Order: sequence, then structure tokens, then C-alpha cells
Amino acid sequence: QKEVEQDPGPLSVPEGAIVSLNCTYSNSAFQYFMWYRQYSRKGPELLMYTYSSGNKEDGRFTAQVDKSSKYISLFIRDSQPSDSATYLCAMSAGTSGTYKYIFGTGTRLKVLA
Amino acid sequence: EAGVAQSPRYKIIEKRQSVAFWCNPISGHATLYWYQQILGQGPKLLIQFQNNGVVDDSQLPKDRFSAERLKGVDSTLKIQPAKLEDSAVYLCASSPILAGYNEQFFGPGTRLTVL
Repeated sequence: QKEVEQDPGPLSVPEGAIVSLNCTYSNSAFQYFMWYRQYSRKGPELLMYTYSSGNKEDGRFTAQVDKSSKYISLFIRDSQPSDSATYLCAMSAGTSGTYKYIFGTGTRLKVLA
Repeated sequence: EAGVAQSPRYKIIEKRQSVAFWCNPISGHATLYWYQQILGQGPKLLIQFQNNGVVDDSQLPKDRFSAERLKGVDSTLKIQPAKLEDSAVYLCASSPILAGYNEQFFGPGTRLTVL
């Protein structure tokens, strides 16, 4: 079993739709949970990170973590064509300077105008 | 603030040849990471440095891959000899050392094609 599993997609939605992206994980040692966005031929860029179970909101983006189920989600409200990218979940464990990151395989999202 | 710089951006080589990639992290970032991202997959950590010391190289294929970070600043990743399955994007990332969470900042990557 992989440490991090991510729905592969691809996902195609109309502009304005609510998008739900999900990952599950198996290692209970993970402390931080991140969502990265990666545009074609670019490096990943951090969208949001969370530490504890619960929700964290930033504009149109909401990250949700359920540690008891080992499940994380990213919701995008009012999706825009500019949101079209690959979304990677990532999780980390460790101490300052030694955090080890594990990435999901990514979900490709296309928002149609 | 300048971002993470990588060069070259693209490289095409024949199998069994050698290749080197260069990374200059964000100034002041002590931790540097090299990742391999195969098409359709997430980044896989190859090696992690803290200053000029190796923190984790457990997934680095040491028979063909090597990396160094002299003086704790920029870094090079080398493949010798290359195999077809090494075709991927090689991403460099850096982060500061702070208490708690440390964001990783990624460079644009080097796209390697092995023929």
C-alpha cells in the first residue's frame, strides 16, 4: 500500500463548479498536510497547508483534514479556467530541517469556460 | 526575492551518457531537496541536504546518481550512466529552517529525455 493515495482524475468541470480533490494516507506520523498546484512545465507551488484536523479556508479554497480517517480534501469554490492545473497533495513528518515530504500522484483538473 | 534557479531547463541525451543538473536555492535557505517527477506521477524525493550535509538519500539510486552541495549553497545532481527510465523532470526545492512547518519552494525543473 502506498503511503499516500490520490484520486488520479483527470477531472473536467464547467466554470463556476465546486471541485473536490481527495487524498488518503496510511502513516499516522504525518504532521503537516499540504496542497500544491502545478501548472504545465512549472514547479509545484504551495496553495495551503494544515496541521490539525478540521477546515482551513483561504479565499475560494478550503482544505479539510480528518486524521481519524486519514483523509484530506481540497475544495475549490467558483472554479475558474485559471484553476486548470495538476493538484498534488503532500504530507510530511519530522522535525525542523528534517521534514520528509511524500507527494500524491496528482489530480489533473480542467475548468471549462 | 529571487526564486529557486535551475539549469538547464531541458536536456536530451543518449542512454549510457552522463548528465548534470544545477540548482541555486533561495538565499538563506539551509535545506535543499532534489526530486524526480516522472510523467503522470508526483515528485519523489531523491536527496535532502541540510546545509552541506545529507539528511536523507534513501531513495537515491547510488549506483548511478550522485549529488553534492558544496559550501551549503548551490547543488549539482549527476546521473552516470543514464538509463531510459531516468526520463523525468528533476525538481529542486529549498526551505528555511524554522520551528514548525517549513514551506518548500520549487524551481521550474529540468526536463530530461533519455533516448
